[in-house]
Amino acid sequence: ETGVTQSPTHLIKTRGQQVTLRCSSQSGHNTVSWYQQALGQGPQFIFQYYREEENGRGNFPPRFSGLQFPNYSSELNVNALELDDSALYLCASSLVGGGGETQYFGPGTRLLVL
Amino acid sequence: AQSVTQLDSQVPVFEEAPVELRCNYSSSVSVYLFWYVQYPNQGLQLLLKYLSGSTLVKSINGFEAEFNKSQTSFHLRKPSVHISDTAEYFCAAHGSGGATNKLIFGTGTLLAVQP
Repeated sequence: ETGVTQSPTHLIKTRGQQVTLRCSSQSGHNTVSWYQQALGQGPQFIFQYYREEENGRGNFPPRFSGLQFPNYSSELNVNALELDDSALYLCASSLVGGGGETQYFGPGTRLLVL
Repeated sequence: AQSVTQLDSQVPVFEEAPVELRCNYSSSVSVYLFWYVQYPNQGLQLLLKYLSGSTLVKSINGFEAEFNKSQTSFHLRKPSVHISDTAEYFCAAHGSGGATNKLIFGTGTLLAVQP
């Protein structure tokens, strides 16, 4: 059974650029959630995807968007990058509908915006 | 407001000493509670969880946590810590409303084990 994987591991962008982060969910899971973890902080919920539809969103602007594919993998897209977007981005997968209260996290993508 | 509070940002402790990391949650979150551990430059690993049933839950590496509804707490304890336990520990709860099983995290506690 494969765990949650994320790519790339590290990324450097400049302000105003766009970035796409990728996540492969754990085998058998149908839900992907994305979190942003700024330095020295706890993770903050960005949004969740279930059956390819957005299923809830945290307090993040529309320039944060996502996709979920039929194989339950997911992308996080951030447009018009700002310096404050520098953070560790974590993807978590879970099985909703099967007692799936537990989220399992990937290793994260560390984004630096210059 | 939905919130999870970790009262200590850093807990220094000597090796083989006992430790308690404190966590309190607001009554507006669900009572699905979790502790995650984060080693330097890594993602989050599930340490233990409370979903229902026995209020005392244990991990495979000697940590335990007790759900206390009256005090809205879920403190993490270990009777004897090792150097390898040095890491950031996050308490989390399911947020109510909106996304299914989204997590509300505390700000984390750095457990620093000294020889």
